[in-house]
Amino acid sequence: QSALTQPASVSGSPGQSITISCTGTSSDVGSYNLVSWYQQHPGKAPKLMIYEGSKRPSGVSNRFSGSKSGNTASLTISGLQAEDEADYYCCSYAGSHVVFGGGTKLTVL
Amino acid sequence: EVQLVESGGGVVQPGGSLRLSCAASGFTFDDYAMHWVRQAPGKGLEWVSLISGDGGSTYYADSVKGRFTISRDNSKNSLYLQMNSLRTEDTALYYCAKSQLGTFHGDYDYWGQGTLVTVSS
Repeated sequence: QSALTQPASVSGSPGQSITISCTGTSSDVGSYNLVSWYQQHPGKAPKLMIYEGSKRPSGVSNRFSGSKSGNTASLTISGLQAEDEADYYCCSYAGSHVVFGGGTKLTVL
Repeated sequence: EVQLVESGGGVVQPGGSLRLSCAASGFTFDDYAMHWVRQAPGKGLEWVSLISGDGGSTYYADSVKGRFTISRDNSKNSLYLQMNSLRTEDTALYYCAKSQLGTFHGDYDYWGQGTLVTVSS
């Protein structure tokens, strides 16, 4: 049950696009198309942004998109806005358990 | 409106026990698997445990296996986490979370506000 690997931080300017990677193994990310992504602002509960790899819940901006290749999933945020500044976590089903990534702090410059 | 309200957190000495509760409303509780996820102060999210809708299947993170027990009472729309042999590294905000499609997957569309557990001598 090892954590998924995410970059500790990423940054971008308003209007730009950024991508956050999430690397797992053939036992989690690589085996299931069941990666989800969460946004967490300080002092708040996480918010589901992407599920089943690339699906957006109702109400989530289409600026957020997800994809997967092999054992690595990715979250892309296009048209960066100030309110996107937050921590982002990936999460994968892994058969009999769930595993999170270590989190990525997004800074909007 | 879906609501998840955790309670039962507090300060406990190493080796002690606590029982967390999560009161659910606004959805058909027994149709959904439920999970506990924790977050140590200033740290990332860590999955802790999950239980199936009928309570017949339970799973745990290796870090808590043998010490924590997840359960539910569908007649009371409530989820529980019995935590024994607590360690300082169990100090965290504990969230209960509802899986969006009622599955074992980590797609949580609703989270509680969390209850803080502090393990300290």
